[in-house]
Amino acid sequence: AQSVTQLDSHVSVSEGTPVLLRCNYSSSYSPSLFWYVQHPNKGLQLLLKYTSAATLVKGINGFEAEFKKSETSFHLTKPSAHMSDAAEYFCVVKITNAGGTSYGKLTFGQGTILTVHP
Amino acid sequence: DAGVTQSPTHLIKTRGQQVTLRCSPKSGHDTVSWYQQALGQGPQFIFQYYEEEERQRGNFPDRFSGHQFPNYSSELNVNALLLGDSALYLCASSLWTGGYTFGSGTRLTVV
Repeated sequence: AQSVTQLDSHVSVSEGTPVLLRCNYSSSYSPSLFWYVQHPNKGLQLLLKYTSAATLVKGINGFEAEFKKSETSFHLTKPSAHMSDAAEYFCVVKITNAGGTSYGKLTFGQGTILTVHP
Repeated sequence: DAGVTQSPTHLIKTRGQQVTLRCSPKSGHDTVSWYQQALGQGPQFIFQYYEEEERQRGNFPDRFSGHQFPNYSSELNVNALLLGDSALYLCASSLWTGGYTFGSGTRLTVV
């Protein structure tokens, strides 16, 4: 079975400073990994995804994440936070088995609430 | 191009009642998944429909059931509502091969 652990429930940064949201995963097979963002009373928006190509993945709004298999991590970063980045962020894993079959279930972490101070 | 449309956006039900939530997938998508997001939690997978059949199911009781129609739209039904069923219900559409688009959700409150 797969699982996702987001290491921080809340992260607070000042505008213009770097953002780091940490995520570790557990999977018996090759995972696809995603980061989604959820603004209040809104649906989930895909920031970026890793699907076994380049380990450094660039997403929208200046976010990027690095897949580190040896550390089973997929941390999300951004060099400079904006006020509009304040939201809840979810790390998500989807499993592809050894035969290449992709199971549809997405497993979400518990979420990290990002607060950005002026 | 319309994304995923969910209806209603909000509703309030009484314990023991039944509720039906609806989802219209993004144009071109043939697979619909449903997720329950309780307050302060990450979304939990309920089930997935493809070709009008339930293909995968999460750890939810039989009170939760669904349907997919020939036009790929889907319904989520919950019977005998409990207070603990209060949550945001999210629909995600995709192709069977992946690439998910989420709707804005239906906020269900059970009183």
